[in-house]
Amino acid sequence: GENVGLHLPTLSVQEGDSAVIKCTYSDSASNYFPWYKQELGKRPQLIIDIRSNVGEKKDQRIAVTLNKTAKHFSLHITETQPEDSAVYFCAASANQGGKLIFGQGTELSVKP
Amino acid sequence: DTAVSQTPKYLVTQMGNDKSIKCEQNLGHDTMYWYKQDSKKFLKIMFSYNNKELIINETVPNRFSPKSPDKAHLNLHINSLELGDSAVYFCASSQEPSGSAFTDTQYFGPGTRLTVL
Repeated sequence: GENVGLHLPTLSVQEGDSAVIKCTYSDSASNYFPWYKQELGKRPQLIIDIRSNVGEKKDQRIAVTLNKTAKHFSLHITETQPEDSAVYFCAASANQGGKLIFGQGTELSVKP
Repeated sequence: DTAVSQTPKYLVTQMGNDKSIKCEQNLGHDTMYWYKQDSKKFLKIMFSYNNKELIINETVPNRFSPKSPDKAHLNLHINSLELGDSAVYFCASSQEPSGSAFTDTQYFGPGTRLTVL
């Protein structure tokens, strides 16, 4: 089955810097890769996603890149702000009835 | 209007009790899910229903029984609660099962924090 791994449990950056969170997956059949943001005590919320037929997707300060050969995908946040502080989860789906396999989460801390 | 809602928000109960958590979505989605988030924040899928039909049933003790009376509702009943069941339970929904179409974004409910004493 699919295995999704996050490289960093925590990441601390200064406000205005960029943050990159990398995620690996094991199942080459995976075709959908969302990133979720979860603030303390709140629900996970989708911030960006990418499908396997695309290498990169951008939405304002947020981008996701996918490397299918190496089986990893990364979340890029530019010009970080304190409100970007949260836990970020990557996930992968191989179209098995909608099963999303989540990585363990990276806690991003943006220091003013 | 809340898209995916859950009740109750908090549930504190004794070991051995039976409890239910309810979920409703008003997005017109066909697929609904239950996830468990443990104390280390790890999110793990438990069940998925598509049009009231069970399509994912992960390795979950059979004390957990989901029920979907219609495609807008997915409830979770837990029998004989144990200490290890303490967690936050999230309901989610998507138009199609994730990975199958372009409208497969999963929207999460606010969560139910279950504490078993």
